[in-house]
Amino acid sequence: DAGITQSPRYKITETGRQVTLMCHQTWSHSYMFWYRQDLGHGLRLIYYSAAADITDKGEVPDGYVVSRSKTENFPLTLESATRSQTSVYFCASSVARGVFETQYFGPGTRLLVL
Amino acid sequence: AQKITQTQPGMFVQEKEAVTLDCTYDTSDPSYGLFWYKQPSSGEMIFLIYQGSYDQQNATEGRYSLNFQKARKSANLVISASQLGDSAMYFCAMREGLETSGSRLTFGEGTQLTVNP
Repeated sequence: DAGITQSPRYKITETGRQVTLMCHQTWSHSYMFWYRQDLGHGLRLIYYSAAADITDKGEVPDGYVVSRSKTENFPLTLESATRSQTSVYFCASSVARGVFETQYFGPGTRLLVL
Repeated sequence: AQKITQTQPGMFVQEKEAVTLDCTYDTSDPSYGLFWYKQPSSGEMIFLIYQGSYDQQNATEGRYSLNFQKARKSANLVISASQLGDSAMYFCAMREGLETSGSRLTFGEGTQLTVNP
């Protein structure tokens, strides 16, 4: 029962480089989300997806690109990394369960942009 | 305006005592859900408890309960019989919209809880 996994768990990169963060879930959940968490703060939504090939912007989408060709995968790409994108990135997935919906989170990827 | 406000950056509680973590929210949508997550120092986000806007009773999950006061727009988390393992950051979050819409969560800034032995 792997649940939701993220890779890499830690990444150091340089300004201007392209970086892709991977997210994989084994539950076949329809909805998937990417959040970022800056030091000492709550999570902010970057992008989300309602199903394969359906994605939409969240609160802070600039500088990020997502795709979802398969239900179980939802990669997040930083096209040209900037220092302001240093953060912890969480992937989450959700399923409607009865009358409520819980988002389950991956372990996070800690990204440092130098 | 902030949609989720957690006014306590840090809280301290003695082991075995109860503690209340505050959360107020702002929405004009009649359908919404309120969530609490725990984030220990290891970093993962752990779902604790949920309250729907139409739920008549306060949600409870083991030692966690949610004190839901709809008119005051507050959804405080109560942890009874605190344990050392409860030391963590706690986030309140809100989802607006229909129950099964899959819509996104808005998070508060969090409260760092420290349980003292």
